[in-house]
This record gives sequence, C-alpha cells and structure tokens, in this order.
Amino acid sequence: RKEVEQDPGPFNVPEGATVAFNCTYSNSASQSFFWYRQDCRKEPKLLMSVYSSGNEDGRFTAQLNRASQYISLLIRDSKLSDSATYLCVVNGDKIIFGKGTRLHILP
Amino acid sequence: GAVVSQHPSWVICKSGTSVKIECRSLDFQATTMFWYRQFPKQSLMLMATSNEGSKATYEQGVEKDKFLINHASLTLSTLTVTSAHPEDSSFYICSATQGGGFEKLFFGSGTQLSVL
Repeated sequence: RKEVEQDPGPFNVPEGATVAFNCTYSNSASQSFFWYRQDCRKEPKLLMSVYSSGNEDGRFTAQLNRASQYISLLIRDSKLSDSATYLCVVNGDKIIFGKGTRLHILP
Repeated sequence: GAVVSQHPSWVICKSGTSVKIECRSLDFQATTMFWYRQFPKQSLMLMATSNEGSKATYEQGVEKDKFLINHASLTLSTLTVTSAHPEDSSFYICSATQGGGFEKLFFGSGTQLSVL
C-alpha cells in the first residue's frame, strides 16, 4: 500500500450534488490527519483537520477510521467555487501528502 | 493566523544561473520549515526538511549540492537552486510549523521557476 493514496479523479460533479473523497494511509502509527485544498498554481490551504470522532464545518464533513486506516471528506450542496484539488495529508513519521483529487463542479 | 511569506512569486532565468527563494515566517518562530516541489498536475513532493541552526535533511533523490537550503534564523529559510536547468522549472513551495508539533502547516504562496 502506498503511504497515502487518494482517488485519482478527476471528479466532474453537477452543482448542488454531494461529493465524497477517500484517502487511505499505510502507517498505522500516524497521528494527525488533514484535508487541504489547492487551486491551480497556488499554495495548499488547510480545509479542515480530521478527528477520530468526525467533524463538520458547514457543508464539509471529515471522518477518520483508524481501524481501516482511511479518512474521508464529504462536501454537500457543492458550489462552483469548490472546484479545486483536494489533498489528503497524514502526519506520521513525517508529513505526507496524497497526490490529490481534482474536483470540477459543473454549472 | 500564522503567515508565511515566500519570495519571489515567479522567476525566469537563464540556464546555468542560480536562483534564491526566500521563505519567512512573519508572526511566529518556525523551528522547522519544509521545501516542496510540484510539477504540473503532480502532487507536492517534499524536497527537504530544514531545522534552524542545523543542516537540512534531504529526501531521497534530491541533490543537496544543487538545492542549497539555509535556515539561519527562526524566521527565515532560503532555497538556492544552483546552476539551474530547464528540468528544474517547477513550482516551489515552502511551509513552516509553529512550535514543536506538526498540527498545522503554514504555506508560502509558492514560487514558479522557469529556466530558459
């Protein structure tokens, strides 16, 4: 298993739909988990941290499953402005970025 | 929130020249800074980890003599691409952590390097 693996995408989704991203990690000792969003030729920006109990921020919900070693991100009622690349980040022995999943929201 | 300033935003240079990129933490002391490279439609690839006052730790496959990293103070790290070649053209991004943990990364805005 790769250190951090994400759906390759791209996801082309109509506006208003719900989108789900999954990410798996190989290091069971990983300590913290994050979702970042990156727009083209821009720096990644923290979207949300992921906690074991799951956490929600508006239309965004993140969940962590330590037993299965995966994290997820759910976007509800997607907006055109949600179009970006979503990066899964796992902190274990070192901070590792997934390759990202590109999301295109279609009008 | 914490701010990391990266300069320049873009640079075009001739093959064989050296380019220096600066990364500054403006409102916090960054004991650790990271340098990444990103090719088009590729993921961020960690190049090296820089700790203040010590030599940088380079990832496998990254030439330390070509990519010189200096972290002389708690607020400044520099990456110098020596004798740049067209294949070094890429998007370079720095990030910094605040404190001893790795709870969050604060990113610079990136530098687009184009070597002619």
